[in-house]
Amino acid sequence: KAGVTQTPRYLIKTRGQQVTLSCSPISGHRSVSWYQQTPGQGLQFLFEYFSETQRNKGNFPGRFSGRQFSNSRSEMNVSTLELGDSALYLCASSDGTGGYGYTFGSGTRLTVV
Amino acid sequence: QQQVKQSPQSLIVQKGGISIINCAYENTAFDYFPWYQQFPGKGPALLIAIRPDVSEKKEGRFTISFNKSAKQFSLHIMDSQPGDSATYFCAALLRGYQKVTFGTGTKLQVIP
Repeated sequence: KAGVTQTPRYLIKTRGQQVTLSCSPISGHRSVSWYQQTPGQGLQFLFEYFSETQRNKGNFPGRFSGRQFSNSRSEMNVSTLELGDSALYLCASSDGTGGYGYTFGSGTRLTVV
Repeated sequence: QQQVKQSPQSLIVQKGGISIINCAYENTAFDYFPWYQQFPGKGPALLIAIRPDVSEKKEGRFTISFNKSAKQFSLHIMDSQPGDSATYFCAALLRGYQKVTFGTGTKLQVIP
């Protein structure tokens, strides 16, 4: 069974630009969660999508948004990039029904210059 | 009330020794406590987990001890090996609420 696939693995963007990251969950998983990982703040929850609807949201500004498609693939968008957005962005998938399985992808390393 | 506090921040252990990482939580509604292991360049991977109605769970060299009254839990790695060198995160979540609260991580280095 294929794992969680995140693309691209690495990105370099300039301040003020926007970026879109992609996540393909494990087949059959309908929940996709996004996390930001930085050395200073650790793993911070961004949001969770289930069946194309945002079900939970963390404390990030509106520049961070996401969506989920009917095939459960999810995208995360960050607009007007700031230097502080440089981080590893992780996607995790689960069946979303209250089970405990939670599988992470390898992440997208975003560098804002 | 959603915090999970983890210590130490870093840990150096000799090969064959015991590595111990501690976590404390505040929200008594949490009902699942997983530990994740993360190697450089990879996402966190579920290592072992425990529910609050159990005081200890062991899987191979990894053991979770859980103290519900103190709201604390810990990971013990017995016979630590260089291959265990990684960052370990404790976490807590509410079943059915797909938001995991992570500790700040412990960077473990096992030296030969």
